[in-house]
Amino acid sequence: ELKVEQNPLFLSMQEGKNYTIYCNYSTTSDRLYWYRQDPGKSLESLFVLLSNGAVKQEGRLMASLDTKARLSTLHITAAVHDLSATYFCAVDALIQGAQKLVFGQGTRLTINP
Amino acid sequence: DVKVTQSSRYLVKRTGEKVFLECVQDMDHENMFWYRQDPGLGLRLIYFSYDVKMKEKGDIPEGYSVSREKKERFSLILESASTNQTSMYLCASNLRDGTEAFFGQGTRLTVV
Repeated sequence: ELKVEQNPLFLSMQEGKNYTIYCNYSTTSDRLYWYRQDPGKSLESLFVLLSNGAVKQEGRLMASLDTKARLSTLHITAAVHDLSATYFCAVDALIQGAQKLVFGQGTRLTINP
Repeated sequence: DVKVTQSSRYLVKRTGEKVFLECVQDMDHENMFWYRQDPGLGLRLIYFSYDVKMKEKGDIPEGYSVSREKKERFSLILESASTNQTSMYLCASNLRDGTEAFFGQGTRLTVV
């Protein structure tokens, strides 16, 4: 069974600080996605990471993928209040002949002024 | 603009009712997914489909069934709704080669 684990699950930080969210997964995959969810809303795609060593950046967010370690990170630089949301990673893996998309538990990020 | 549309944003149903949640995508995607989202549990995969009339069980299929008669439409069926199926239901789709999935707006189902 594919397990995807995020750490931490809850994160409260001050504006201007840096922090990293970690996503570990238990099976071989070279496709990993990061999503953002605002309260009461659906999921919005942030990053698509399709190979070992892939790094993507958008504004104050940067995501990376290490397929050998089965680890992805989402780094937040100089956080601002607008980044408060829940962040999910998801791993795409072939399991029992079918391509499944499995999500982590989500990290609820709160950025305080 | 890509679109995944779920038929209802909010639903209230009685215990024992048969419930249909509909999802339509306009991107010609092969794969479609149904998840439920509960506080502290993240998104859990109920069923998915990689082609018309094909379906695969996800991690929590009990109490649910699905139907995919046309490529663009994937329906989730609760044969006899129970209170523990009160949840947010999210539909998603992507291409067969596993690119990013696009999500519908979600259906918040309450079973009373």
